[in-house]
Amino acid sequence: GEDVEQSLFLSVREGDSSVINCTYTDSSSTYLYWYKQEPGAGLQLLTYIFSNMDMKQDQRLTVLLNKKDKHLSLRIADTQTGDSAIYFCAESPPGSSASKIIFGSGTRLSIRP
Amino acid sequence: GAVVSQHPSRVICKSGTSVKIECRSLDFQATTMFWYRQFPKQSLMLMATSNEGSKATYEQGVEKDKFLINHASLTLSTLTVTSAHPEDSSFYICSAKGTYDTQYFGPGTRLTVL
Repeated sequence: GEDVEQSLFLSVREGDSSVINCTYTDSSSTYLYWYKQEPGAGLQLLTYIFSNMDMKQDQRLTVLLNKKDKHLSLRIADTQTGDSAIYFCAESPPGSSASKIIFGSGTRLSIRP
Repeated sequence: GAVVSQHPSRVICKSGTSVKIECRSLDFQATTMFWYRQFPKQSLMLMATSNEGSKATYEQGVEKDKFLINHASLTLSTLTVTSAHPEDSSFYICSAKGTYDTQYFGPGTRLTVL
């Protein structure tokens, strides 16, 4: 079945890079996403990657996709206090035309001074 | 970018009453809208998918008579929690999608049932 797994917590020092990891089970997923959720708020789409890509970079964000290992990561360079949030990895199963999204449990990123 | 709003942002109601939550796509036409539920410190669980003018498709385990979904126009979907009970207290998030776009999420509605 479809399943997305993430570690629950990550703590990094301000200014360092944060790497949030995710594994998924459906190797034929067409889209893979990273969402950010700040306390009491909805989800903000940070970035997404097509399954035929290995890497995507957008300013401080770098997404790496290893299809063989079904592993997705999000790297945030120069982590700032404003990056404190929960980050959700998500996949879109094939045939869904990016309609149905399966979310991971979320990784809570905390920044220490 | 695409904006999705929800109203109200927070609602407190008594047990046994019904609560309606609105989800609007403000600057695009949403052919499909989704309703999610999120318990504290947990992930989002898809409740149902609705296409404009059609009946909603509910995920397994979601009571369609309990959670009424209406998607009467390309910019508005409503979720009505009927005869709400304390266990229905949760954070409800909608998302909207155009024909080819990805989903855009609303800010969420926190429902507390006393």
